[in-house]
Amino acid sequence: GAVVSQHPSRVICKSGTSVKIECRSLDFQATTMFWYRQFPKQSLMLMATSNEGSKATYEQGVEKDKFLINHASLTLSTLTVTSAHPEDSSFYICSARAPGAGGYTFGSGTRLTVV
Amino acid sequence: KQEVTQIPAALSVPEGENLVLNCSFTDSAIYNLQWFRQDPGKGLTSLLLIQSSQREQTSGRLNASLDKSSGRSTLYIAASQPGDSATYLCAALYNQGGKLIFGQGTELSVKP
Repeated sequence: GAVVSQHPSRVICKSGTSVKIECRSLDFQATTMFWYRQFPKQSLMLMATSNEGSKATYEQGVEKDKFLINHASLTLSTLTVTSAHPEDSSFYICSARAPGAGGYTFGSGTRLTVV
Repeated sequence: KQEVTQIPAALSVPEGENLVLNCSFTDSAIYNLQWFRQDPGKGLTSLLLIQSSQREQTSGRLNASLDKSSGRSTLYIAASQPGDSATYLCAALYNQGGKLIFGQGTELSVKP
C-alpha cells in the first residue's frame, strides 16, 4: 500500500532557530501533499496544501513566511518552521493521496518542542 | 459551510462489547468518507474508505456505513479489545484531490 514517511519523529530546538520537517511518498508520486498541525486532544488543523513545482496554498490564518513549504519533487515536501517560538510547539503531520487509491495516507507525525 | 461532527468525544466500554462511533457531515455531496485511527503521539492509520456510491465497507471486526441522505456515517467495532483503545477520526472529502474535512474525533477506551 501507499506509504508516507515523515522525518524526524521528534525534534527539540531553541527559540529563534529554524526546523525542517520532511515528508516523502515512498512508493508513489504525489503532486499534492497536505500539512496539518494538531494540538493536544484536538483534531487536525490543515495548515497548507503543498503543490509540486508551484507555490503552496495556505489556509486562512497560517503565516506563509513562518511556515515555509517546498515541494521540489514528486516524492518530497518539506515544512520549515522559521524562527521557532514556544507557541510553535505542536504535532505536525503530512499526508498524500496515491493515484487511484481513493484515500489519503498520513505520515507518522513530528513532535516539535521549542524551548 | 462543510463541517464534520463526531459524537461522543470520549467513550469507555468493557472488553468484548460491540460499539458504534458516530460521524455526521453537513453537506451530503461528499466524494468519499474515510475513518482513521490515531494512537497517542502517532500519525493516522486509515481504517476504512467509503466511496459516495457505497453504503458500507468491512474490514475484520470493523464495519463502516454511509448514509448520504441523512449526512451520517457510523463505525461499528465488534467484540472490542483493549488494543482498540485509540482516537477514531472520520474525515469527509468533497473533491477528488481536495482537502479532508475532519471531525473532532472520539477517544475510545476499552477496559480489560
